[in-house]
Amino acid sequence: QIQLVESGGGVVQPGTSLRLSCAGSGFIFSNFGLHWVRQAPGKGLEWVAVIWSDGSDKYYADSVKGRFTISRDNSKNMLFLQMTGLRGDDTAVYYCARSEYCGGGVCSDFDWWGPGTLVSVSS
Amino acid sequence: SYELSQPLSVSVALGQTARISCGGDNIGSKHVHWYQQRPGQALVLVLYRGVHRPSGIPERFSGSNSGNTATMTISTAQAGDEADYYCQVWDSSTAVFGTGTKVTVL
Repeated sequence: QIQLVESGGGVVQPGTSLRLSCAGSGFIFSNFGLHWVRQAPGKGLEWVAVIWSDGSDKYYADSVKGRFTISRDNSKNMLFLQMTGLRGDDTAVYYCARSEYCGGGVCSDFDWWGPGTLVSVSS
Repeated sequence: SYELSQPLSVSVALGQTARISCGGDNIGSKHVHWYQQRPGQALVLVLYRGVHRPSGIPERFSGSNSGNTATMTISTAQAGDEADYYCQVWDSSTAVFGTGTKVTVL
């Protein structure tokens, strides 16, 4: 069955870095655009970043641009989010999600989501 | 930046109809998707491109999109429909989520 499983979350201090991973299985990983979406405690969903199926295009939310980098390794069915300069308002559950189609600056719906990994930024 | 507004909460009696609105500038020109978030469970796509249901989503979930408002309707609401619901569109190469609506089934 289709699975997306995030890992790498934890408690970190402000200004430090953290790398999240998302392992995909049960589908042809290289055919899908992949996203990171986050949810601060008690708050709504905030899209973070997307990477095209072949890694050729990447887009970021303004709130993370220049600090976060999305990447993928299709040979290992892995998605990553390198986070630097972490701040308190980056505290959230981070979800990975997939889109069947991405192109022309847009993607289709997010048709499968992982359970999320919690990142807590605190001194 | 583009914004989507949803009511904070909607209450519906068991077996009745709930309607959740999603307001955005000329949203009728965009593809709108809807997601369900039950406590402690993974997010689930319930409607895509405004009106289409993925496999496994009951026919009780339907949608419309016109002008400045998209709407998701839950007919014959059941206890299991109690959840947070989010609309989502793309604008300027950015995915935008609505503010979210908590649906309570009474």
